[in-house]
Amino acid sequence: GQQVQQSPASLVLQEGENAELQCNFSSTATQLQWFYQSPGGSLVSLLSNPSGTKHTGRLTSTTVTKERRSSLHISSSQTTDSGTYLCAIDPNYNVLYFGSGTKLTVEP
Amino acid sequence: GGIITQTPKFLIGQEGQKLTLKCQQNFNHDTMYWYRQDSGKGLRLIYYSITENDLQKGDLSEGYDASREKKSSFSLTVTSAQKNEMAVFLCASSIGGTGSSNERLFFGHGTKLSVL
Repeated sequence: GQQVQQSPASLVLQEGENAELQCNFSSTATQLQWFYQSPGGSLVSLLSNPSGTKHTGRLTSTTVTKERRSSLHISSSQTTDSGTYLCAIDPNYNVLYFGSGTKLTVEP
Repeated sequence: GGIITQTPKFLIGQEGQKLTLKCQQNFNHDTMYWYRQDSGKGLRLIYYSITENDLQKGDLSEGYDASREKKSSFSLTVTSAQKNEMAVFLCASSIGGTGSSNERLFFGHGTKLSVL
């Protein structure tokens, strides 16, 4: 099956620090999305970035397609950023395959 | 905007029981998905459907049935609940397939299953 590896598994930061989350995948991807899962469990798509660099608010994603990796940078973290960040790829099957996530805790 | 509604929110079953989870979306999306999430793990695909009456198996389809009765609804049946099983089942939808660049996936809030 498809492999999506995320690191670190968990990360604890002080408010205001930056976070860097990594995603590596085993096959080429026509689609790559980053999701946020709140402590309550609901999942929302943060951004779609199959290649290059994309910004939205305090989030920056950089995907290097030929190296099969993507990163999500969160600048000036806030306590409300706490939750789990999931990376998912679609290797052109019209289905997303998810990693296990990075659990981020931002302390005040 | 639209919403994906999953029912029930919590489901407690007995070992061997057949259990049905329901999902409704009002985005008018063509494609719907059922994922399973175990504690501390990523999501694994059970079934998906690209249109009404279509069904496609995911990696985790064994032990499950699904039904896309109409475009807006997609139900999942656990054919025989396993003792001590505990997981969250997440329904999602997208306009088309997620292979297209910028195609986004929208999720429901999940159904939490516990089997006694």
